[in-house]
Amino acid sequence: DVVMTQTPVSLSVSLGGQVSISCRSSQSLVHNNGNTYLSWYLQKPGQSPQLLIYKVSNRFSGISDRFSGSGSGTDFTLKISRVEPDDLGVYYCGQGTQYPHTFGAGTKLELK
Amino acid sequence: EVQILETGGGLVKPGGSLRLSCATSGFNFNDYFMNWVRQAPGKGLEWVAQIRNKNYNYATYYAESLEGRVTISRDDSKSSVYLQVSSLRAEDTAIYYCTVGRRYFDYWGQGVMVTVSS
Repeated sequence: DVVMTQTPVSLSVSLGGQVSISCRSSQSLVHNNGNTYLSWYLQKPGQSPQLLIYKVSNRFSGISDRFSGSGSGTDFTLKISRVEPDDLGVYYCGQGTQYPHTFGAGTKLELK
Repeated sequence: EVQILETGGGLVKPGGSLRLSCATSGFNFNDYFMNWVRQAPGKGLEWVAQIRNKNYNYATYYAESLEGRVTISRDDSKSSVYLQVSSLRAEDTAIYYCTVGRRYFDYWGQGVMVTVSS
């Protein structure tokens, strides 16, 4: 199975600040079709996860441009700029290149 | 508006079984692959199973940790997907989410809680 490793485990940020979350995969996430199926999700307290970013850098419908994804191969980053209160929660990266689909353990974003 | 509603959870004794249901609306169900993802209390996300659509012969895929104990199925006429889980263990205690997508999960239901305890 592809192991997804997220760092840090938790992150404190001031409102209006910027943060980065790293996600590394144990194998390349480049699919035979040339696409890289790395996605990012946010789970707000008491809610279901929601898709933020898919295929490394594509924002899902309705997602603010304050969220940006980058990376390639096995190394990926989610950046959140001008952090707002509604951004707080746990962020997960996930891969859909290989079965079984797997997720990172999560990064908890809290207010400083 | 996409709506996803899971039902069928509850308290089950170890060794028991249950069937989760997921009713959907607001998108062309027939076009999409469907999944179940679970989350144990205070833990992260674990993909459980996927069922492809008719164009892909309703092929199914399962997490190894559950293979042999779970069966995912769908009824396109009802825009619904199901998860049958048997030989339940304490470690199957989790919120089970129904999700839409092939290689990432566009939409998630609110989840249904399954508690396995004697």
